[in-house]
Amino acid sequence: NAGVTQTPKFRVLKTGQSMTLLCAQDMNHEYMYWYRQDPGMGLRLIHYSVGEGTTAKGEVPDGYNVSRLKKQNFLLGLESAAPSQTSVYFCASRYRGINTEAFFGQGTRLTVV
Amino acid sequence: GESVGLHLPTLSVQEGDNSIINCAYSNSASDYFIWYKQESGKGPQFIIDIRSNMDKRQGQRVTVLLNKTVKHLSLQIAATQPGDSAVYFCAEAYSGTYKYIFGTGTRLKVLA
Repeated sequence: NAGVTQTPKFRVLKTGQSMTLLCAQDMNHEYMYWYRQDPGMGLRLIHYSVGEGTTAKGEVPDGYNVSRLKKQNFLLGLESAAPSQTSVYFCASRYRGINTEAFFGQGTRLTVV
Repeated sequence: GESVGLHLPTLSVQEGDNSIINCAYSNSASDYFIWYKQESGKGPQFIIDIRSNMDKRQGQRVTVLLNKTVKHLSLQIAATQPGDSAVYFCAEAYSGTYKYIFGTGTRLKVLA
């Protein structure tokens, strides 16, 4: 059971380049999330999805887009990367309902130069 | 090396002692709380959770205490071990939302 898998683990982008981060979960979870984590700060929610074909904005959605075409996958896209998007990105998933814990992936360390 | 948590509050504890990590949550309507542990270079891992109808919950070597009056959550780790060294986050959520709100975290250093 792999849990939550993020691809890639590391990436360096030049300003203005685009890329897609992939999150895959094999636990049949309904809810999926993308967070970013910066030094000295907690996890900030970028976008989330409560089911296949649905997405919603979190606290810091600007500069990112997401898609959930399949229940097990949640993609995070950066159309035109900026240095301010240098961060560690985490994907998480959980079952439907409020009292369920979220499971996290190992993270993607992204540097934009 | 790890860049996350450079400016986090740090708790240093002697190996074998008990650790207490505190968290103040923001929303009086929150009814579910979780503690996560994040080791260097890894994603957060679930430790223990508690619902708002409880004041205390115990796990293996860990206890979570909830004080709704002052909106305070604490994580107690008994007989702290070197493997407990990590950043610890609390998270809160409330019915009617899909989102968790995470605290900024506390770094726990275990001294040999």
